Amino acid sequence: GENVEQHPSTLSVQEGDSAVIKCTYSDSASNYFPWYKQELGKGPQLIIDIRSNVGEKKDQRIAVTLNKTAKHFSLHITETQPEDSAVYFCAAAFDQAGTALIFGKGTTLSVSS
Amino acid sequence: ETGVTQSPTHLIKTRGQQVTLRCSSQSGHNTVSWYQQALGQGPQFIFQYYREEENGRGNFPPRFSGLQFPNYSSELNVNALELDDSALYLCASSVWDSYNEQFFGPGTRLTVL
Repeated sequence: GENVEQHPSTLSVQEGDSAVIKCTYSDSASNYFPWYKQELGKGPQLIIDIRSNVGEKKDQRIAVTLNKTAKHFSLHITETQPEDSAVYFCAAAFDQAGTALIFGKGTTLSVSS
Repeated sequence: ETGVTQSPTHLIKTRGQQVTLRCSSQSGHNTVSWYQQALGQGPQFIFQYYREEENGRGNFPPRFSGLQFPNYSSELNVNALELDDSALYLCASSVWDSYNEQFFGPGTRLTVL
């Protein structure tokens, strides 16, 4: 069945450093890849997404890259700040509407000042 | 614009009981998806509803069922509760067939004793 692997499970960086989280997916038909940030006691919040016809997308300090051939996609956060500390999830849609998501197991990012 | 709301916030049940969780969609959204998030894991897709019908289901048994109402709000029902059903249950609303962002609610924490 469909599967999304996410690494690393924990990541600790100093404020101002960059953070990179990597995911691989199994279903070659997937064509929508969102990234979510989840803070304690809250539901996941979309931070950036990418569709399969795009190789890279950037939004201020956050960027996502997609390699469809290798079935890899990555989240890059530059100039990290303490408020970036949270759990980050990658996901891949396995339906045509893009609304049924398979999530990775999450990465706990800690940014120390 | 009102976001996705869920009720109740917390719930404690005993094994074998039945539970109903509720979700109100964000204004303008016609699709509701339900996810189960075990502690320390990513959300797992249960099913989604569009036009009051189930439209896509993950690997969950039939004792997990749902409804969507004409105002697009939704219910998740779980019969014959098991200890492993203890989790955070998240609903997300979106617009069907447009790869738009899914907005997640804060979740309902279910504990089965």
